[in-house]
Amino acid sequence: EDQVTQSPEALRLQEGESSSLNCSYTVSGLRGLFWYRQDPGKGPEFLFTLYSAGEEKEKERLKATLTKKESFLHITAPKPEDSATYLCAVQGSGGFKTIFGAGTRLFVKA
Amino acid sequence: DVKVTQSSRYLVKRTGEKVFLECVQDMDHENMFWYRQDPGLGLRLIYFSYDVKMKEKGDIPEGYSVSREKKERFSLILESASTNQTSMYLCASIKMDSFYGYTFGSGTRLTVV
Repeated sequence: EDQVTQSPEALRLQEGESSSLNCSYTVSGLRGLFWYRQDPGKGPEFLFTLYSAGEEKEKERLKATLTKKESFLHITAPKPEDSATYLCAVQGSGGFKTIFGAGTRLFVKA
Repeated sequence: DVKVTQSSRYLVKRTGEKVFLECVQDMDHENMFWYRQDPGLGLRLIYFSYDVKMKEKGDIPEGYSVSREKKERFSLILESASTNQTSMYLCASIKMDSFYGYTFGSGTRLTVV
């Protein structure tokens, strides 16, 4: 059964304190791994798609990496406006379904 | 600016009522989805549709039905609302075979009392 587990559930950082969020997954035939950002009271906003182990994508202070079993979202020198819930999701070869993790809530204090 | 629009941000309904949640997208996307989001459980797929009048059950379809009469509109129906259907409901869409990720609506927070 396809599964996505994110850790930690919540992460509190000081402004400028770099860290990483983890996404462990099991899926039959990975077609894509996705990262989304979700602000309180809003729908998730797409950040990245990763397709194969070794791939990396960057956007501002965020960098996503992928191995055969997990993905990391690295946050370099975060700012308070990076505070949000970050969701990881995978799509396998089985079809349309995308499986989401429960998310990591990130709090960045000034 | 491309958009997925959900008709209501907040709804309060009584147990047993029939509830309609509407979703409209302006991107000519073939695929549309309904998820519910609950703390600690993540997003769970209720139903999806890959074409007009086509629908497929997701992981938790019980107590729900859907309608897609036009390409841009995907409706979620709670036949007889129950308190365990209190949740955040999210609609999403994506172009067929695209891997840029879903475009989500802002969500409808439904409370059933």
